[in-house]
Amino acid sequence: EDQVTQSPEALRLQEGESSSLNCSYTVSGLRGLFWYRQDPGKGPEFLFTLYSAGEEKEKERLKATLTKKESFLHITAPKPEDSATYLCAVRETSGSRLTFGEGTQLTVNP
Amino acid sequence: NAGVTQTPKFQVLKTGQSMTLQCAQDMNHEYMSWYRQDPGMGLRLIHYSVGAGITDQGEVPNGYNVSRSTTEDFPLRLLSAAPSQTSVYFCASSGTGGFKDGYTFGSGTRLTVV
Repeated sequence: EDQVTQSPEALRLQEGESSSLNCSYTVSGLRGLFWYRQDPGKGPEFLFTLYSAGEEKEKERLKATLTKKESFLHITAPKPEDSATYLCAVRETSGSRLTFGEGTQLTVNP
Repeated sequence: NAGVTQTPKFQVLKTGQSMTLQCAQDMNHEYMSWYRQDPGMGLRLIHYSVGAGITDQGEVPNGYNVSRSTTEDFPLRLLSAAPSQTSVYFCASSGTGGFKDGYTFGSGTRLTVV
């Protein structure tokens, strides 16, 4: 059974204070690891898809990396508007289903 | 360019009532899914579909039915609502091509069962 564990559950940063969110996964065969951002009262918004170990993707202040067992979402010099819940999900080889972690709630204080 | 549209946005049901949550997408996506989101439990898959006429159960299917008669629509039916079904429900869709753009989610339906 696929498992996805995200840490920490919650993270408070000062504006400009860089940090990383972790997503550890167990899957029989990885067919994609996904990062989403979710704002309160809204649906998840797609950020990145990573397919193989060593792959990296960047978007503004966010950079996602992937190893064989985990993924990191690095946030460089965050701003208050980066405050949201960040979700990680995996797609296993044999299907179209995504298994989600519980998310990391990020708060960036000005 | 509407994306994934869910209706209604809010609903209050009495225990035992039935209802249908609507989901429509205009992107010609083959894959569609229903998730529920509860505090401390993340997003859990209820049912999913890989194309018109094809559906399958996810992690928490009990108490829910789905059908996929067209590519665009994927309604979720609550047969006899229970307080345990109080949750936020999200519909999502994706095209083929390795899921490189992930799933596109709707804005959700917040359901309360009293």
